[in-house]
Amino acid sequence: DAKTTQPTSMDCAEGRAANLPCNHSTISGNEYVYWYRQIHSQGPQYIIHGLKNNETNEMASLIITEDRKSSTLILPHATLRDTAVYYCIVRVAQDTGRRALTFGSGTRLQVQP
Amino acid sequence: DTEVTQTPKHLVMGMTNKKSLKCEQHMGHRAMYWYKQKAKKPPELMFVYSYEKLSINESVPSRFSPECPNSSLLNLHLHALQPEDSALYLCASSQDLGIYSPLHFGNGTRLTVT
Repeated sequence: DAKTTQPTSMDCAEGRAANLPCNHSTISGNEYVYWYRQIHSQGPQYIIHGLKNNETNEMASLIITEDRKSSTLILPHATLRDTAVYYCIVRVAQDTGRRALTFGSGTRLQVQP
Repeated sequence: DTEVTQTPKHLVMGMTNKKSLKCEQHMGHRAMYWYKQKAKKPPELMFVYSYEKLSINESVPSRFSPECPNSSLLNLHLHALQPEDSALYLCASSQDLGIYSPLHFGNGTRLTVT
């Protein structure tokens, strides 16, 4: 699976959009981008995933660049409860027998009141 | 609340003890996972079960012994642990091992080895 690079930490004002970047310059054509987050004292929580098209669900939007070398997770109206570590992960699609998630270091998002 | 239930929430054990961590899900998922997470570090994969068979063992020491008695349950048996094994142990499940199957995590068991 391709390696990802994320900023160590970010701040965001409550009510504003939080834009979390992720670089995955070695991504290959059959690898998906997944985002998870981990709120303090909880297990990781799935947010969204995509291949090449932008995706949106009730939690967030995922914008993937046309060359697929980077992506941005957007929380449109951040709240204090969105304070967490956000993990960007790239997963290969074919049957390699090793599809389980490998977490990188993630971005610690602090939403400020 | 999470649909993956882990017990106990906290566990303190001595190096000579034998204990077990338990994980349960009732979502009909056929893949289950154990992760270990040290403080301020990302989770690290330990074991993967698919259809109750061990699919992946990430070179975990034998003092950790997983067991999947049925499709809803996953255990992690602990024996002769070391203080450096103190960590948060996370269980997860997914529909299967497919790329379209997000993992659902429990809130973990915080283990302290004295």
